[in-house]
Amino acid sequence: NAGVTQTPKFQVLKTGQSMTLQCAQDMNHNSMYWYRQDPGMGLRLIYYSASEGTTDKGEVPNGYNVSRLNKREFSLRLESAAPSQTSVYFCASERYSMNTEAFFGQGTRLTVV
Amino acid sequence: KQEVTQIPAALSVPEGENLVLNCSFTDSAIYNLQWFRQDPGKGLTSLLLIQSSQREQTSGRLNASLDKSSGRSTLYIAASQPGDSATYLCAVSSGTYKYIFGTGTRLKVLA
Repeated sequence: NAGVTQTPKFQVLKTGQSMTLQCAQDMNHNSMYWYRQDPGMGLRLIYYSASEGTTDKGEVPNGYNVSRLNKREFSLRLESAAPSQTSVYFCASERYSMNTEAFFGQGTRLTVV
Repeated sequence: KQEVTQIPAALSVPEGENLVLNCSFTDSAIYNLQWFRQDPGKGLTSLLLIQSSQREQTSGRLNASLDKSSGRSTLYIAASQPGDSATYLCAVSSGTYKYIFGTGTRLKVLA
């Protein structure tokens, strides 16, 4: 009963490096999301995918790209990491993009130095 | 723009006390409201989901209410236990950006 799985759990990057955060869900959900959580700011939506084959920008998309690889997987890429992207990143999924319960992964703690 | 506020930011209570956590939102045109629990260093766990047409939802010792017209929701925890210690987040679903989160209430239940 894995639910939403994120890898890696921790990562340290140097400014300018790139990396991809992976997310996979095994609940046959249609919608998937990437959030970042910063102290005092709450969770903010970076990108979302309402269904396989579609992606849309959220509240804070600058500096990120996403790929909905298939129904199960939704990856987040940082092309050139900046210290401002130091945060905890959460992936979430739900059956449909409204009126259904959201399930979250355990998070990826990213530090950019 | 939808804004979600949770008060208080932190709360400390003795074990066994009944308590209420508050969530307010500025735009009453919401699809639903969800309460989450977050333990330190962990992800979010959904506690209760209230659809816009509902007034309340209950699960065990938890009861969440929704008053769309006043832009408020409350999470009632009965007979609190030390295991209830966590951060409780409120999120509303409205418009393009799916869930808008509050900054949470950090609850500590003292044994």
